[in-house]
Amino acid sequence: GENVEQHPSTLSVQEGDSAVIKCTYSDSASNYFPWYKQELGKRPQLIIDIRSNVGEKKDQRIAVTLNKTAKHFSLHITETQPEDSAVYFCAASIPNTDKLIFGTGTRLQVFP
Amino acid sequence: DAEITQSPRHKITETGRQVTLACHQTWNHNNMFWYRQDLGHGLRLIHYSYGVQDTNKGEVSDGYSVSRSNTEDLPLTLESAASSQTSVYFCASRGSTDTQYFGPGTRLTVL
Repeated sequence: GENVEQHPSTLSVQEGDSAVIKCTYSDSASNYFPWYKQELGKRPQLIIDIRSNVGEKKDQRIAVTLNKTAKHFSLHITETQPEDSAVYFCAASIPNTDKLIFGTGTRLQVFP
Repeated sequence: DAEITQSPRHKITETGRQVTLACHQTWNHNNMFWYRQDLGHGLRLIHYSYGVQDTNKGEVSDGYSVSRSNTEDLPLTLESAASSQTSVYFCASRGSTDTQYFGPGTRLTVL
């Protein structure tokens, strides 16, 4: 079945630097890849998503890239700010279902 | 505004007791999901439903059950709570798009 691996598990950056989180998936038929941000004690919230017919998508300081051949996708945050500190989860759709499988999360800390 | 809610937000129970966690959404979404969140494991799917009277097992369903008698609610029941079920539980719903929207979570402690 589908499997998603996420790296790194923790990431510390200085304010203003960029942060990159990477995920790999196993089922080449997956076609939807969302990213969720979860602040401490809060619910996961969708921040950006990408479909398999697109290679890159941007929303202000956040971008996601998808490499279908290598079966990996990445979240890029530029000009990081302290409020970007949170746990980020990637996910991949399970083909022919409405289900998602999630990565194990990356704790991002942005230091002022 | 339409939303998804969970109750209780915090629950402490004893081993062996039956516990039911509520999930209610007002978006009229057909798809609803229950996840548990544990450190190092991310979000793991317990049960899900694609509509009224439809329920399906996820990857970690042992010891849990759900029922779907209407569109708005998907209660999760722990038949006989175990310490291994101490976790944070999230309900989510999905409409016609691919996006899953999460509830605020329930922190369950089994002593």
